[in-house]
Amino acid sequence: DAGVTQSPTHLIKTRGQQVTLRCSPKSGHDTVSWYQQALGQGPQFIFQYYEEEERQRGNFPDRFSGHQFPNYSSELNVNALLLGDSALYLCASSERTGIGTEAFFGQGTRLTVV
Amino acid sequence: AQSVTQPDIHITVSEGASLELRCNYSYGATPYLFWYVQSPGQGLQLLLKYFSGDTLVQGIKGFEAEFKRSQSSFNLRKPSVHWSDAAEYFCAVDITSGGSYIPTFGRGTSLIVHP
Repeated sequence: DAGVTQSPTHLIKTRGQQVTLRCSPKSGHDTVSWYQQALGQGPQFIFQYYEEEERQRGNFPDRFSGHQFPNYSSELNVNALLLGDSALYLCASSERTGIGTEAFFGQGTRLTVV
Repeated sequence: AQSVTQPDIHITVSEGASLELRCNYSYGATPYLFWYVQSPGQGLQLLLKYFSGDTLVQGIKGFEAEFKRSQSSFNLRKPSVHWSDAAEYFCAVDITSGGSYIPTFGRGTSLIVHP
């Protein structure tokens, strides 16, 4: 079992550009959540996808958008990048979320905006 | 508001010494609590979780945590720390949001282990 895989591992972008990050969930998982982890902080919830729809969203602007494909993999898109978007972006997968559902995390994509 | 607080940003211990990392939660109902560990450049790995029942929870890598409702705490402990335990530790609580449960994380505690 490959677990949760994310690509790319590192990325450098320029302010104003757009970026797409990718996530393949753990086998058997159908729910994908995305988190932003700034340096020295805990992960902040961006949004969650289930059945190809955004189900929950955290306090992030519309510049952050996502998609889930029929095979449950997911993409995170960020438009009009700002310096403050520099962070580690984590993808977590789980079975359909319920109370206490264990989330499995990927290693993350380190995004640097210059 | 539902939240998690980790009051210690950094903790330094000597190898072989005991460890306790603090976590306080704010939640109206019975909380569902987690501890995760993050090694440098890695994602998060679940150490243990508490849903109900026995308030002392055993996890992986020799860690345990005790749920104390009266103190709104869920502190992580280990009797003897190894150098490989140096990492970032996050406490999290499941919060309800539109019928889903979203783990909400504290800011983390960085564990430094001296030889």
